[in-house]
Amino acid sequence: GDSVTQMEGPVTLSEEAFLTINCTYTATGYPSLFWYVQYPGEGLQLLLKATKADDKGSNKGFEATYRKETTSFHLEKGSVQVSDSAVYFCALSDKSGGSYIPTFGRGTSLIVHP
Amino acid sequence: GAGVSQSPRYKVAKRGQDVALRCDPISGHVSLFWYQQALGQGPEFLTYFQNEAQLDKSGLPSDRFFAERPEGSVSTLKIQRTQQEDSAVYLCASRTSGNSYNEQFFGPGTRLTVL
Repeated sequence: GDSVTQMEGPVTLSEEAFLTINCTYTATGYPSLFWYVQYPGEGLQLLLKATKADDKGSNKGFEATYRKETTSFHLEKGSVQVSDSAVYFCALSDKSGGSYIPTFGRGTSLIVHP
Repeated sequence: GAGVSQSPRYKVAKRGQDVALRCDPISGHVSLFWYQQALGQGPEFLTYFQNEAQLDKSGLPSDRFFAERPEGSVSTLKIQRTQQEDSAVYLCASRTSGNSYNEQFFGPGTRLTVL
């Protein structure tokens, strides 16, 4: 079945540091890939997505490139802020039994210090 | 409202009690999903509706879990005879259409604690 593997957290950085959160996946079909972010006490919200190989999703300074050859979708940001502290979830959506039911990774907590 | 809402936000139940969790999706969204999120984990799929039809309930952990969406809008997740292992955050999400790659919109979740 489909699965998503994220790097273990927490990731702790100082403000303005470079961020990478690794995500790899296995899928039976040709999935779309997503990054969701969850701030404390809130639901998940979409950060960015990519629907085909070599697509780059970007939003709020974050970006991730759909790499089919390495089955990866790593999240990056050049300069993190304290307000980026949250849990980040990598997810894929693949056609299974006719329905696109997303599969999520276990999440990576990011803590940014001033 | 503009987003997905869930109620109650917090629920404490004694073991053996029945609970009902409500989800109000974004108006017009065809697809509705329920997930269970344990502490420190990602959302785990429970069940999926397209309009009022429950197309997939493969993720429901036992026959104590039941979900419905009778009019294709509001959905209720019911857990009978709650157990301690049912303690988790229950997330609801909606999506514009059925079979698509569109994003999901999540509610804030209901945190269930079973004592």
